[in-house]
Amino acid sequence: AQSVTQLDSQVPVFEEAPVELRCNYSSSVSVYLFWYVQYPNQGLQLLLKYLSGSTLVKGINGFEAEFNKSQTSFHLRKPSVHISDTAEYFCAVSETGGGNKLTFGTGTQLKVEL
Amino acid sequence: KAGVTQTPRYLIKTRGQQVTLSCSPISGHRSVSWYQQTPGQGLQFLFEYFSETQRNKGNFPGRFSGRQFSNSRSEMNVSTLELGDSALYLCASSLEEGASTEAFFGQGTRLTVV
Repeated sequence: AQSVTQLDSQVPVFEEAPVELRCNYSSSVSVYLFWYVQYPNQGLQLLLKYLSGSTLVKGINGFEAEFNKSQTSFHLRKPSVHISDTAEYFCAVSETGGGNKLTFGTGTQLKVEL
Repeated sequence: KAGVTQTPRYLIKTRGQQVTLSCSPISGHRSVSWYQQTPGQGLQFLFEYFSETQRNKGNFPGRFSGRQFSNSRSEMNVSTLELGDSALYLCASSLEEGASTEAFFGQGTRLTVV
């Protein structure tokens, strides 16, 4: 069975600073990787996804992530954060042959401060 | 194009009662998945429906059930409610069935069991 680890439960960062949110996964088969963002009292919004091809994936709101197969990682980065980026971020995987089932990490709360 | 609609948004029930939550997927989407989100357990997969058939099921007791109608709308039911069932229940719709298919989430139904 697949699993996802987000080691950082909270990441405080000052506005305009860069940020990296870490995600590692484990699976015995090929996976697809996703990052979602959740604002308070809202559902999840897809930031970006890795299906195949280039390991550097660009998403919405200036976020990007790099797939590293050897390290089984899919870290999310943004070169300069804004107050509006304050939210919870979830890394998720789906397995080939597993239908639409997503397995999520425990989430990272990003808090952007002035 | 309307997004995923979940009703009701908020619900308060008493232990031992049952509850039905509704999800209307994006028009044209045929797959609906349900997730439970709690502070302690995070986001956990409940089940997935495609073309009125349950395709995948998470590790939840039989008190949790669901169904999908011919118009792709889905309902989930929880019987004999327990305090631990208090959670945000999220519905996600996808165009097709497949691990690489993007999931679009509704805003969720927040269930409180007292």
